[in-house]
Amino acid sequence: EPEVTQTPSHQVTQMGQEVILRCVPISNHLYFYWYRQILGQKVEFLVSFYNNEISEKSEIFDDQFSVERPDGSNFTLKIRSTKLEDSAMYFCASIRVLGGGYTFGSGTRLTVV
Amino acid sequence: GIQVEQSPPDLILQEGANSTLRCNFSDSVNNLQWFHQNPWGQLINLFYIPSGTKQNGRLSATTVATERYSLLYISSSQTTDSGVYFCAVPRTSGSRLTFGEGTQLTVNP
Repeated sequence: EPEVTQTPSHQVTQMGQEVILRCVPISNHLYFYWYRQILGQKVEFLVSFYNNEISEKSEIFDDQFSVERPDGSNFTLKIRSTKLEDSAMYFCASIRVLGGGYTFGSGTRLTVV
Repeated sequence: GIQVEQSPPDLILQEGANSTLRCNFSDSVNNLQWFHQNPWGQLINLFYIPSGTKQNGRLSATTVATERYSLLYISSSQTTDSGVYFCAVPRTSGSRLTFGEGTQLTVNP
């Protein structure tokens, strides 16, 4: 079964540093998403991306965050200057068509120290 | 926005027992998914079930869209079933998924 691949699986970074989380969605999927989950809490939506632009973003997705699809396969989430409260599991997801089922990657656990 | 409520929040079972997890949602939806989050934090898709009933081995799910709820049944539970079970719905097709708070399931040997 096709998978959404995320790298790295775990990243530790110092406060104030920039991090880039990478995702390779399923090849024929058209809609891409980032979600995050702070430890012990529920999964929260960050941003959706379609046709090379952001289609929706949450209040969490402020100017410190950006997304990019630099080539035909990768989908990245950049956090410009990390804060302690950015420590969380970050999930990438994609769907092929509207109304279809979402496929999630296995996540990147980000720890900011 | 759409509200998603799951019950119970916590459930402890002995191996071999059956259980039912519930997900209520506040608005009409055209999609609903159940996920299992394993101890390593991975979200495993269990069911994509906008309506009707589906079965996969010991797990089955039923969504009654007109009454705005879904049920996940786990039969003959095993220790590997432990983890958090989430249901999630989109506000509209292709839009953000809203997750419930989850049900923490612990299956003891």
